[in-house]
Amino acid sequence: EGQLVETGGGLVQPGGSLRLSCAASGFTFSFYWMSWVRQAPGKGLEWVANINQDGSEAYYVDSVKGRFTISRDIAKNSLSLQMNSLRAEDSAVYYCARDLVTVLRGVPSRWFDPWGQGTLVTVSS
Amino acid sequence: SYELTQPPSVSVAPGQTARISCGGDNIGGNSVHWYQQRPGQAPVVVVYDDGDRPSGVPERFSGSKSGNTATLAISGAEAGDEADYYCQVWDSSSDHYVFGTGTKVSVL
Repeated sequence: EGQLVETGGGLVQPGGSLRLSCAASGFTFSFYWMSWVRQAPGKGLEWVANINQDGSEAYYVDSVKGRFTISRDIAKNSLSLQMNSLRAEDSAVYYCARDLVTVLRGVPSRWFDPWGQGTLVTVSS
Repeated sequence: SYELTQPPSVSVAPGQTARISCGGDNIGGNSVHWYQQRPGQAPVVVVYDDGDRPSGVPERFSGSKSGNTATLAISGAEAGDEADYYCQVWDSSSDHYVFGTGTKVSVL
């Protein structure tokens, strides 16, 4: 089934940096794309970034390009998100999630299962 | 950019059926997935690929799609179904994931 546990959240000043980690267990980590999804307080879900199985490909939402870096350590079954130049609007609960790929009527699609419990990042002076 | 629109809230009486819509351009050409997020908890997928249910999700949850609108139906609504629900598609043209605006379901 799989389990994901995020750590590393906290309070950081604008312009500062923070590194989030996600420990994966219960599934073969190296088989799957992985993502980070965030949720600002009282707001909806926003996909942030994802990374392929061996870490050679990564994609980002435009608002974090050049500031955030997603990476993975297959030996440690761990996913990371390095966040630099943080802004107030980056404040959110950050979830890691496993990407699943399915094909319906010849059209591929991606979705998330499972999700971690989330870690809160607050950017404030 | 791709947008998915959901009603902000839906109310349903216990035992009745709640229906949550998700609209967007070309949604008919994309698979739609639905997540339930109870207060203070992480999202959980309840329907994937328009209408399939992961193991463990009650049959009361069903998904359908017509034209550019997808619908999540919750039949026999229970107090435990009170949650926020989000639809999601993968936009292959941009390789980005798009979530709907979210719907708060209240069982009154």
